[in-house]
Parts: sequence; structure tokens; C-alpha cells
Amino acid sequence: DAGITQSPRYKITETGRQVTLMCHQTWSHSYMFWYRQDLGHGLRLIYYSAAADITDKGEVPDGYVVSRSKTENFPLTLESATRSQTSVYFCASSRQGDTGELFFGEGSRLTVL
Amino acid sequence: GENVEQHPSTLSVQEGDSAVIKCTYSDSASNYFPWYKQELGKRPQLIIDIRSNVGEKKDQRIAVTLNKTAKHFSLHITETQPEDSAVYFCAASKGGNTGKLIFGQGTTLQVKP
Repeated sequence: DAGITQSPRYKITETGRQVTLMCHQTWSHSYMFWYRQDLGHGLRLIYYSAAADITDKGEVPDGYVVSRSKTENFPLTLESATRSQTSVYFCASSRQGDTGELFFGEGSRLTVL
Repeated sequence: GENVEQHPSTLSVQEGDSAVIKCTYSDSASNYFPWYKQELGKRPQLIIDIRSNVGEKKDQRIAVTLNKTAKHFSLHITETQPEDSAVYFCAASKGGNTGKLIFGQGTTLQVKP
């Protein structure tokens, strides 16, 4: 049972480049989320999805794009990376949305030079 | 939108003492309040949650209390042990399957042996 996996786990890129972080879950959970974790800010919601082809903005969506063509995948794209997007990104999934347990991936550490 | 404030940002206690972490939320419609624990280098994991129709919930050494009137909720850890050392996050959501679970800034708890 793989659960929820993220790739890559570590990524270094340069300002202006496009970066895609992948997230895959094997539970067929309807809900998926992307959070970023920064010291002093906790976990901030970037985007979430209630089902395939349904996505919505969270607290800090600017500079990010998501898609969800299949239930099990929820990629996060930084179309033109900036240094302020250096962070640890966590993908999560849930059966019950915002009123049930979130299962987090291991995180993807992104550094933008 | 929902805003969750968490205090203190760091907390150091002696093994065996109690630890209390407090959170306040802004949206009176919020009705689900989970707590997540993140050990160093690991993913966040749910440790306890409470819904707005309950004032207190306990699970062994941890308990959560909710004051809806004051819009705050707290995590209580009794008889702390070194393995309780971690970052703790509170969160709040309005339910309705919106997907918007908003986290506090996190509290780093250190339990000294």
C-alpha cells in the first residue's frame, strides 16, 4: 500500500523556470490538497480539489497552477519560479474533505536560486 | 476568510510536566478543529480532533478543549515524554466539504529529559 507519494523529494531550480511537483495517492480519496510550509507561517493552503476536474484556490494561490484530470494525481506547477517560492511543499489527501483526517505525503523541498 | 492564530510559537517543559497550546479562530462558522503533530523531518499526522458540538475530548495523555463563545481551542498534553517533542499545528474549518482547512503557525514543543 503506497499511500500518498510526492516527487521529486528535493529540487533545486532557478528563478523563472517552470517546476512541477507530483502527487499520487492510491486510496481513491476524493479530496487532495497542496500546502506549503515555511518557518513562522505554519502550513498554508495553496490549492485544493474536491474531485477530478474540480479545483479551488486556498490562502496563497498566486504563482501556482494545479490540475486534476485523474482522481489519484494532483500535480502542482510553478509556471515561473521565484525565490519566495522556496519552501517545503506537502500534498495531502482526505476522504472527507476539510472535516476528516488529512494524510500527508513526505513533502517536497524546493529551492529556487 | 478564516484565520487561525496559535500560541506560543515555542514551548519548553520538563519531562513529566504538562504542556498547553492555544489557538484562536476568526470564523464563527468553523466547526471542526483538528491537531496535527509533525516530528522532525517527518510529515504532519493527526493526533486528535474535536467538533463544535463537543466541549472536550480526551485520548490517553492528550486532550482538546473548545470554547465556541470565545472562539478558541486548546491542546493539553499531560505527563510529557521526550517523544512528545515535535511541532504541533492546530487547524479549523467550516465543514461543508469546502476543502479549506486552515492551519495555525505551529508550536515547537521541547520536552527536556
